[in-house]
Amino acid sequence: KAGVTQTPRYLIKTRGQQVTLSCSPISGHRSVSWYQQTPGQGLQFLFEYFSETQRNKGNFPGRFSGRQFSNSRSEMNVSTLELGDSALYLCASSSGQGSPLNYGYTFGSGTRLTVV
Amino acid sequence: AQTVTQSQPEMSVQEAETVTLSCTYDTSENNYYLFWYKQPPSRQMILVIRQEAYKQQNATENRFSVNFQKAAKSFSLKISDSQLGDTAMYFCASLEEYGNKLVFGAGTILRVKS
Repeated sequence: KAGVTQTPRYLIKTRGQQVTLSCSPISGHRSVSWYQQTPGQGLQFLFEYFSETQRNKGNFPGRFSGRQFSNSRSEMNVSTLELGDSALYLCASSSGQGSPLNYGYTFGSGTRLTVV
Repeated sequence: AQTVTQSQPEMSVQEAETVTLSCTYDTSENNYYLFWYKQPPSRQMILVIRQEAYKQQNATENRFSVNFQKAAKSFSLKISDSQLGDTAMYFCASLEEYGNKLVFGAGTILRVKS
């Protein structure tokens, strides 16, 4: 079955602009989580959506937002980009129910965002 | 709040030898889950092994095994018969029983040398 698809793979934006990243989970998975990966801060949790509802949110400013559609695809949006937003953004797909030991998390290959 | 600590920024090992990556964590939960993920240059995070805290038996997946010491809050990864394809960044992560976010350590870069 198809894996987790993140688009685009690379993105270059200018400070002050906004950006939208997309994540298509594995078919049948209803949970999508987003993580930011930077050399300085490592991997940090942004938010998690399950059946179009945000269930959990990390400690990021309001410029970071997300949503999930009825087909479980998710988008995250960053407004008013700052240089520090340059990072690899990873999304993870899971069924979101039952034991995490059974369902696990499957990650996409990420979107590399560079803010100049 | 959960925290995960990986104290080894980089490690190297000769092909076919064994290497152990360290991980300690802190949580106030009674049950939780622990994971090791591998991130090769392709950037995709790949699950290596997982363990539930209630299970005392150490998890094993082929050449990968863990040493889970619950009292010490330690979860180390042992890679036996190291292969060049094992070269990657390795992340230790924890997940609370009813949580839905992974908390990651800083990662350990592992280089397997021929």
